[in-house]
Amino acid sequence: DGGITQSPKYLFRKEGQNVTLSCEQNLNHDAMYWYRQDPGQGLRLIYYSQIVNDFQKGDIAEGYSVSREKKESFPLTVTSAQKNPTAFYLCASSIAGSEQYFGPGTRLTVT
Amino acid sequence: GEDVEQSLFLSVREGDSSVINCTYTDSSSTYLYWYKQEPGAGLQLLTYIFSNMDMKQDQRLTVLLNKKDKHLSLRIADTQTGDSAIYFCAEKSADSWGKLQFGAGTQVVVTP
Repeated sequence: DGGITQSPKYLFRKEGQNVTLSCEQNLNHDAMYWYRQDPGQGLRLIYYSQIVNDFQKGDIAEGYSVSREKKESFPLTVTSAQKNPTAFYLCASSIAGSEQYFGPGTRLTVT
Repeated sequence: GEDVEQSLFLSVREGDSSVINCTYTDSSSTYLYWYKQEPGAGLQLLTYIFSNMDMKQDQRLTVLLNKKDKHLSLRIADTQTGDSAIYFCAEKSADSWGKLQFGAGTQVVVTP
């Protein structure tokens, strides 16, 4: 089955710790994206990558970092510099800049 | 930045039609999308429309686009309890490559 997987589904961390969220796709899509979703708000773009070994900041990149060493994988690190990290994180992928397909999400709670 | 706005809540009876509305400000929008999100899940792409079209139908779903008024709607015919979810409108502008601008979502509740 082709699709996008995100793991884990729930993640708990203490304040001050970095945490890495996994996103893998087997759709052979070139582009991948990370979004953050907060209650009552739309999705906000954190980072996106059009191609392997390249990525750009989205609208709210501060406190986050990414890498794109393989076409299939686009991990997101939430650093201790992110002031409000508790949120639902969604990964997506697309063929070039066309319609985006989403993974099931990771809910991160930082206390 | 560009804005996408949706009403926050819609209640509809099972079997009736639902109409979810969305307005956007970007006059260079190329594609407009509708996504569905069930509780605790990711977003599911329902349908999309190119900006030079004014209507698209896909089974129970009808998308209407009024480009002059920058108004998009999604009509769901014969609404079922399984249609209860949050529906997001999103637009892609001509100069934003793949980046989407999302609305805040409309919570649709289907009552028996």
